[in-house]
Amino acid sequence: EIVMTQSPATLSVSPGERATLSCRASQSVSINLAWYQQNPGQAPRLLIYGASSRATGVPARFSGSGSGTEFTLTISSLQSEDFAVYYCQQYNDWPMYTFGQGTKLEIK
Amino acid sequence: EVQLVQSGAEVKKPGESLKISCKGSGYTFTSYWIGWVRQMPGKGLEWLGVIYPGDSDTRYSPSFSPSVQGQVTSSVDKSISTAYLQWSSLKASDTAMYYCARVMLSAGHYGMDVWGQGTTVTVSS
Repeated sequence: EIVMTQSPATLSVSPGERATLSCRASQSVSINLAWYQQNPGQAPRLLIYGASSRATGVPARFSGSGSGTEFTLTISSLQSEDFAVYYCQQYNDWPMYTFGQGTKLEIK
Repeated sequence: EVQLVQSGAEVKKPGESLKISCKGSGYTFTSYWIGWVRQMPGKGLEWLGVIYPGDSDTRYSPSFSPSVQGQVTSSVDKSISTAYLQWSSLKASDTAMYYCARVMLSAGHYGMDVWGQGTTVTVSS
């Protein structure tokens, strides 16, 4: 089973600043990686698929990069609604998925 | 509008059975896999399994395979565009939020692009 490890567990950033979240796979997943945002009390929302493609309706301040085992989600100029929990998910083993444990992005 | 609508919150006792539902609309239900995701209180997302409504092909996470865990199974009634998650004997540890989600169709990418609102399952004596 592919293990996904996210870091840091919690990230404190001020509004308007840039946030960089990391996700590491225990073995190569190529670019078969997605990122999700989950606000409190809400269902997850797909942000990025294919490591760097934004899902429909996702603002351009969200960007994804990486391939193989190392991935990054960058949020430029943080807005109030961006403070949430973010999960990476590999689907290289489709139809087997694995989620990372999540990174909580909080207001500094 | 493409959406998945899940059934309402459930409160059950240990040992009871349960079936929750996920109804798709606004798209061809039989053409997209549906995935199930568990979120225990205060915890992260865990993938349970996927089902293809077109032919009921079902795959489970090794951690939640009916042959291992023995309880949770997925099914579908394509005549009413509805997928189900079912337990034969609930345990307190099944207490969680359960989400269904549509698996996207995009050139070999399998992210989950549409999510249900979630069904809270509480198991307590």
